[in-house]
Amino acid sequence: SAVISQKPSRDICQRGTSLTIQCQVDSQVTMMFWYRQQPGQSLTLIATANQGSEATYESGFVIDKFPISRPNLTFSTLTVSNMSPEDSSIYLCSVWADSGNTIYFGEGSWLTVV
Amino acid sequence: GENVEQHPSTLSVQEGDSAVIKCTYSDSASNYFPWYKQELGKRPQLIIDIRSNVGEKKDQRIAVTLNKTAKHFSLHITETQPEDSAVYFCAASKGGFKTIFGAGTRLFVKA
Repeated sequence: SAVISQKPSRDICQRGTSLTIQCQVDSQVTMMFWYRQQPGQSLTLIATANQGSEATYESGFVIDKFPISRPNLTFSTLTVSNMSPEDSSIYLCSVWADSGNTIYFGEGSWLTVV
Repeated sequence: GENVEQHPSTLSVQEGDSAVIKCTYSDSASNYFPWYKQELGKRPQLIIDIRSNVGEKKDQRIAVTLNKTAKHFSLHITETQPEDSAVYFCAASKGGFKTIFGAGTRLFVKA
């Protein structure tokens, strides 16, 4: 299995500020994804983080609001920009682990925007 | 793109009874179907999965069935226990290329 570490685990942010979430995997993985889970809701895919190139965003998500970096096969960051209370969510890093041929999630980053 | 529908949204059962959650998917190219359990304040945890070359898979009290023709799959939990109470999500994926989740089922097991 893949061990995924996310930082921060929790944060309270001021409206209008930006926050960067880091995701570190203990092994090289081909596919990394970022999901958002709003309170009481399901998981919504934000984007696929592509190594060495721009992320692939899902409908409703744009790079200016959620810039993503993936400099190598074990690390990615998601920035939530110009935050508003509607951005209060859990943000989850996910990887497709070739070794287990399945999907794993990080612990999640609980963000509250005030 | 892929769409996954999940029913019911809430399910309440008596301890010891069975629980069944059903999902349908839209993309016939999907070939991997995991199920996740999410407890309050925690990340989703994989509990069982099935691939498109298999019709049924069982792991102790949990089983999953897949009907590729009808594009639906189901989770079956037998002999439910209070610790089974959680939110369950089905999902569909094309071999790891973006996984789409159902809306979730909140399962309550009454002691």
